[in-house]
Amino acid sequence: TAGITQAPTSQILAAGRSMTLRCTQDMRHNAMYWYRQDLGLGLRLIHYSNTAGTTGKGEVPDGYSVSRANTDDFPLTLASAVPSQTSVYFCASSTRAHTEAFFGQGTRLTVV
Amino acid sequence: DAKTTQPNSMESNEEEPVHLPCNHSTISGTDYIHWYRQLPSQGPEYVIHGLTSNVNNRMASLAIAEDRKSSTLILHRATLRDAAVYYCILRRANAGGTSYGKLTFGQGTILTVHP
Repeated sequence: TAGITQAPTSQILAAGRSMTLRCTQDMRHNAMYWYRQDLGLGLRLIHYSNTAGTTGKGEVPDGYSVSRANTDDFPLTLASAVPSQTSVYFCASSTRAHTEAFFGQGTRLTVV
Repeated sequence: DAKTTQPNSMESNEEEPVHLPCNHSTISGTDYIHWYRQLPSQGPEYVIHGLTSNVNNRMASLAIAEDRKSSTLILHRATLRDAAVYYCILRRANAGGTSYGKLTFGQGTILTVHP
């Protein structure tokens, strides 16, 4: 099974440009999450979605937007990238609070 | 969300047991205790979780204190592949079991395994 897939694996992006990080899962999980991981700061929640059609803000939502048109896809968009958004981004999915979450392999984004 | 406290780092020798502690003194009755680990250059992976009773699976054991204010992840025989950052996380469920409970990560414990 594919599980949870992120694309691209890595990207170099010019500051001011927009970009969408893709995340797809085939497990029919209701909840999906986007995290960023920076050296020394651990994983921080950007946005989440508990079900298709609903989204919520995490700890560091500024500069990012998400949508959840269906159960499987949860894209993360940077409308106008800035160098401080250089990070490794992880997507995750799960069902309920008492079940495990699955993570993608990450997207390494460098904004120059 | 209730917070967890873990040691910054721990060391172990290969094939010895490892006990990774986690304090969660403000845990609520509906918080599940989850453990994840992250190997170098990979996404986090699930290890184990529990609510009140001790839990065992093929990867590890989870020992939960009677008052639930602390827990310990036990790796019975550490291998070099177990070297990773281990995260202890609380996920809140509601009484109806319909809550998804955000995964909020702390700094975790860096486990070093020596040959």
